Amino acid sequence: KQEVTQIPAALSVPEGENLVLNCSFTDSAIYNLQWFRQDPGKGLTSLLLIQSSQREQTSGRLNASLDKSSGRSTLYIAASQPGDSATYLCAVRTNQAGTALIFGKGTTLSVSS
Amino acid sequence: GAVVSQHPSRVICKSGTSVKIECRSLDFQATTMFWYRQFPKQSLMLMATSNEGSKATYEQGVEKDKFLINHASLTLSTLTVTSAHPEDSSFYICSARDPRTNEQFFGPGTRLTVL
Repeated sequence: KQEVTQIPAALSVPEGENLVLNCSFTDSAIYNLQWFRQDPGKGLTSLLLIQSSQREQTSGRLNASLDKSSGRSTLYIAASQPGDSATYLCAVRTNQAGTALIFGKGTTLSVSS
Repeated sequence: GAVVSQHPSRVICKSGTSVKIECRSLDFQATTMFWYRQFPKQSLMLMATSNEGSKATYEQGVEKDKFLINHASLTLSTLTVTSAHPEDSSFYICSARDPRTNEQFFGPGTRLTVL
């Protein structure tokens, strides 16, 4: 059964720092991997979707990489801002028909001004 | 991206009552929908996979008689929490897969509080 782990569970940084969030998964036979952002009490906002054949995806200050063979993904946030404060969730879909995204527990990021 | 709506966004009910949550895919037909539950400060836990026209597949530990799922059309799935108790209070999020892209889109969630 697929398990997704995110490290660290929480992270506090000053504004302007570059940071890396880590995600690992136990079953490397994945269809895709997705990073989400969740603000307190709110739903999910999709940030980046990486297909299994891709190595990375970029959107603005965000860059997500995928190393399927080692079961790892990283989310890189450049020049962090207080508005980036949120919980970041990594989710993986295994390579079987009909399967759902399985989520990690998330990393709660706090960026201070 | 595609849009998934959920209704209601928030519901407060008395213990013992049943609550129905609706999930709709607004601009695509979803043969597969998913229901997740999220407790405070926890991640999303998959409850069940719903396929249009067939019975839902429940994850281990999820009571199918308590959480009734109906996926009667390609754009609508409902989750009914029967005989709700305070421990059922949670954030319920539905998701629908767009068959055109295979991407999963999420609704905004329903906050259920059982008194």
